[in-house]
Formats: sequence, structure tokens, C-alpha cells
Amino acid sequence: GQNIDQPTEMTATEGAIVQINCTYQTSGFNGLFWYQQHAGEAPTFLSYNVLDGLEEKGRFSSFLSRSKGYSYLLLKELQMKDSASYLCASEGWGKFQFGAGTQVVVTP
Amino acid sequence: DVKVTQSSRYLVKRTGEKVFLECVQDMDHENMFWYRQDPGLGLRLIYFSYDVKMKEKGDIPEGYSVSREKKERFSLILESASTNQTSMYLCASSVQGANNYGYTFGSGTRLTVV
Repeated sequence: GQNIDQPTEMTATEGAIVQINCTYQTSGFNGLFWYQQHAGEAPTFLSYNVLDGLEEKGRFSSFLSRSKGYSYLLLKELQMKDSASYLCASEGWGKFQFGAGTQVVVTP
Repeated sequence: DVKVTQSSRYLVKRTGEKVFLECVQDMDHENMFWYRQDPGLGLRLIYFSYDVKMKEKGDIPEGYSVSREKKERFSLILESASTNQTSMYLCASSVQGANNYGYTFGSGTRLTVV
């Protein structure tokens, strides 16, 4: 079966760091993706992990542990424009399974 | 840039109407997908296609059908629209095989059935 779990909402202040955790159970697991989605818009690609470890891209980093079925997205030096929903998605057998999304609220 | 274009951003239809949602991609992607997105439920896969004239049911295909007559176009059809099909519909495409970029999404169609 397929199952993705991530927190519903997180709040942080500008300049802070927030870590969004994601656990998954995916048949034929091929990789873990993170997407950002602003209200009323389509999701946009943020990061991809296929091997264990940390991938860093500017203020955003993503981590994967395949043995634990666990990933996190780390957002550093938060800006107001980072207020959005962050979707964790696992790929297995060519199909993506999405979590319900974590709404990140950045406050001044 | 890869582009996935959905024909309508907003649609309002009446219960019982037949509704067509069109999606076109311009990057020669083999795979195309239709999702619906509802608050608290995330994205749920309706149908997908790995090739022309090929279609596979996703997790929630009931009440929907699809058509892929050409590689670049994937249409979602609501045979008889119902109020519980009010939702945001997202089309996506991807290359076949190893893929570092996942899906490219269209901008979405917000459908309201009254």
C-alpha cells in the first residue's frame, strides 16, 4: 500500500528555521519529492532525493532515509513569501503519492 | 520551459452536465496524470496514461473517464457532473524512466458543480 504522513500546519517567524517531517510507505520506491504550493496556484518542484542523505539548495534542504521511510524539508532564513503549503510526494512504479500538505505560516 | 496548459482556470457547471477538462503539454512527455485536490485530503490520482490511447485507473476513478488520442493531450471527462465533484483539478506530465524533476503541473481548473 501507499501512505504519506506530514503535519498539517507549522508557524514560524521571519528569519527562523522550520523543519517539515514526512514519513512514507511506498511500494517500488524510486524517490522522494518536495513541492511548494501557494494558495490558488499549482505545485512547483522544490527538491528530489533518491539516495540517503542531505541535498542542499540555497535556503532549502531536503533529507532522506530510505531504511526509515523518512524525509524532511528544512527551510532556513524564512521569508514572508515562504508562506505556502509544502507537499511531500513519493514515487513508486512511476506513480506519485502525495501527502495532504503542510501549511507553513510565516509571521513578522 | 516545460508547459502544461489547462484550458480553463475556473468552470461552473450544472449537476448532470457532461464536462470536459483539457490538458496539453509541449515537452513530448510520455506520462500524463489527472489529480483532484481537496482541503485536508491532498492530491488524489484519478487517471493516468503512459502512452497514446493508453489509460489506467488511479485511486478515485469513479464518475470520471479520460481520453488520450494524441501524445500531448490528456482529457478528463465527467460523464454526469455531481456536486461532490466540485474541486480543484490538476493535470501533470512527466518523462518516462528516471526522473529528477518529478511532475510538471498545469495551473489547475477550479470546477464548481451547482
